[in-house]
Amino acid sequence: GNSVTQMEGPVTLSEEAFLTINCTYTATGYPSLFWYVQYPGEGLQLLLKATKADDKGSNKGFEATYRKETTSFHLEKGSVQVSDSAVYFCALRPIYNQGGKLIFGQGTELSVKP
Amino acid sequence: GAGVSQSPRYKVAKRGQDVALRCDPISGHVSLFWYQQALGQGPEFLTYFQNEAQLDKSGLPSDRFFAERPEGSVSTLKIQRTQQEDSAVYLCASSPREGNTEAFFGQGTRLTVV
Repeated sequence: GNSVTQMEGPVTLSEEAFLTINCTYTATGYPSLFWYVQYPGEGLQLLLKATKADDKGSNKGFEATYRKETTSFHLEKGSVQVSDSAVYFCALRPIYNQGGKLIFGQGTELSVKP
Repeated sequence: GAGVSQSPRYKVAKRGQDVALRCDPISGHVSLFWYQQALGQGPEFLTYFQNEAQLDKSGLPSDRFFAERPEGSVSTLKIQRTQQEDSAVYLCASSPREGNTEAFFGQGTRLTVV
């Protein structure tokens, strides 16, 4: 079946450190891949997405590359800020899927200290 | 409204009580999704509507869970005879059409069953 596995948190970094949050998936064919972010007290927001192999999604300094050969979609940012503290969710949308439902990983909490 | 609105934000129910959770999607959005997010976990799909038609209810955990969207806009998720394991955040999301389009999430309703 379809599933998403993320590295466990919490991840604690100092401001300006490099961030990697690992995400791997299991799916049939070529699903679409997403990163969502949930800031404290707010709803889930789409951070970036990629819809086919080798695509790179990017937004707000975050990047993730769709790697079919390793079934991965790792999230990276070169220099994190305190304001990046949030919970990050990796998700996939199966290719054979009615309506567009998402399958999420368990989330990774990021805490950035000044 | 500007975004997806859910009410109430918080609900405490006694075990055995029935509850109703409301979702107001973004105006004109065709697709509507409900997800359940247990503490420390990622959201899990419950059900999907395209306009007023419930096209996928494969994620509903039991027949105590029921969702409707009678006029193709506002949706209600009803849980009958609540149990402690129903305690979770219930998220609603909408998207402008079916398929591979961005889903916009509400802030969720936190249900606590005591």
